[in-house]
Amino acid sequence: EPEVTQTPSHQVTQMGQEVILRCVPISNHLYFYWYRQILGQKVEFLVSFYNNEISEKSEIFDDQFSVERPDGSNFTLKIRSTKLEDSAMYFCATGGLRGSPLHFGNGTRLTVT
Amino acid sequence: ELKVEQNPLFLSMQEGKNYTIYCNYSTTSDRLYWYRQDPGKSLESLFVLLSNGAVKQEGRLMASLDTKARLSTLHITAAVHDLSATYFCAVDITSGTYKYIFGTGTRLKVLA
Repeated sequence: EPEVTQTPSHQVTQMGQEVILRCVPISNHLYFYWYRQILGQKVEFLVSFYNNEISEKSEIFDDQFSVERPDGSNFTLKIRSTKLEDSAMYFCATGGLRGSPLHFGNGTRLTVT
Repeated sequence: ELKVEQNPLFLSMQEGKNYTIYCNYSTTSDRLYWYRQDPGKSLESLFVLLSNGAVKQEGRLMASLDTKARLSTLHITAAVHDLSATYFCAVDITSGTYKYIFGTGTRLKVLA
């Protein structure tokens, strides 16, 4: 079964540094999402991406965050200047047609020190 | 702002018992999903409910959707230890944008 692949699995960075989290979506999926989860708690929506542009973003997704699909396959989340409170598990998810479930990657655990 | 609430947040139950997890949401939607998450793992899709009155069953789990009441239930029958996990419902907003909002999660522990 096709999978969503995320790299790295764990990223440790210092406060103020930039990080890029990468995701390879399922090939025929058109909708891409980033979610984050802090300490196994609520799964928080960050942003959705469709047709090479942001479809929706949450209040969490401020100017420090950006997404892009640089080469038509990878889907990236960039955090420009990380804060301690950005420490979380970040999940990439992709979806096909409306009404289909999201498929999640295994996540990137980001630790900001 | 869409709110998706689950109750209970924590559930400890004995093997062999039945229980129901509730998912309430605050806006119009006829698409609701249930996911399972094991500790330290990703989210796995369990059920897709796409209309009022939809009912899906897989093994000891059965999910239903009442769009008029904005309520979905996940019923556990004769629980076994392997069902221990966190269960999330998620609502797909009925609008032109693409956004799935997840519930608060229910952490289930089935005691042998």
